[in-house]
Amino acid sequence: DAGVTQSPTHLIKTRGQHVTLRCSPISGHKSVSWYQQVLGQGPQFIFQYYEKEERGRGNFPDRFSARQFPNYSSELNVNALLLGDSALYLCASSLAENTEAFFGQGTRLTVV
Amino acid sequence: AQSVAQPEDQVNVAEGNPLTVKCTYSVSGNPYLFWYVQYPNRGLQFLLKYITGDNLVKGSYGFEAEFNKSQTSFHLKKPSALVSDSALYFCAVRDTGDKLIFGTGTRLQVFP
Repeated sequence: DAGVTQSPTHLIKTRGQHVTLRCSPISGHKSVSWYQQVLGQGPQFIFQYYEKEERGRGNFPDRFSARQFPNYSSELNVNALLLGDSALYLCASSLAENTEAFFGQGTRLTVV
Repeated sequence: AQSVAQPEDQVNVAEGNPLTVKCTYSVSGNPYLFWYVQYPNRGLQFLLKYITGDNLVKGSYGFEAEFNKSQTSFHLKKPSALVSDSALYFCAVRDTGDKLIFGTGTRLQVFP
């Protein structure tokens, strides 16, 4: 069984650019969440989607947006990148709401 | 608001000795608590969860956690540490929906 897959694994962007990160959940999982993990800190919640609807949003600026597709995969978009957006972005999926979350290996974003 | 605290940045233990990684929580209502482990340049791996029931929860790789309501603690334990257990450990509590609130992490170093 494939786990949660994220792409790309690494990327480097310039300040002001836009980035799209992708996530494929475990087969059958309908809930997808996104987290940002800055070096030396615990993951911080960004978004949760369930059945293509936004169910929760963390304390992040409007430059961050996400969506979930009919096949339950998800994209995280970040506009007008700042140096402070450099982090490991983690995607997690769960079978349904209030069940344990399984994480992908993350996308390491570096903004220069 | 829900929160967890991990009071130790690092725990050092000799291989074969028991290990404990501490976590305390602050929640309104019943706590849904989790432990995850993160290896270098990897995502988070689910170890175990407490929803309700027995205060001693058994998880993956020989880990277990003890839920203590009076002390509001959820410490992670293992009877005999392995060098391969060296990693970053995160305690988390479920907030609304699927949102997880993570602690700051504890680095476990197991010495041969």
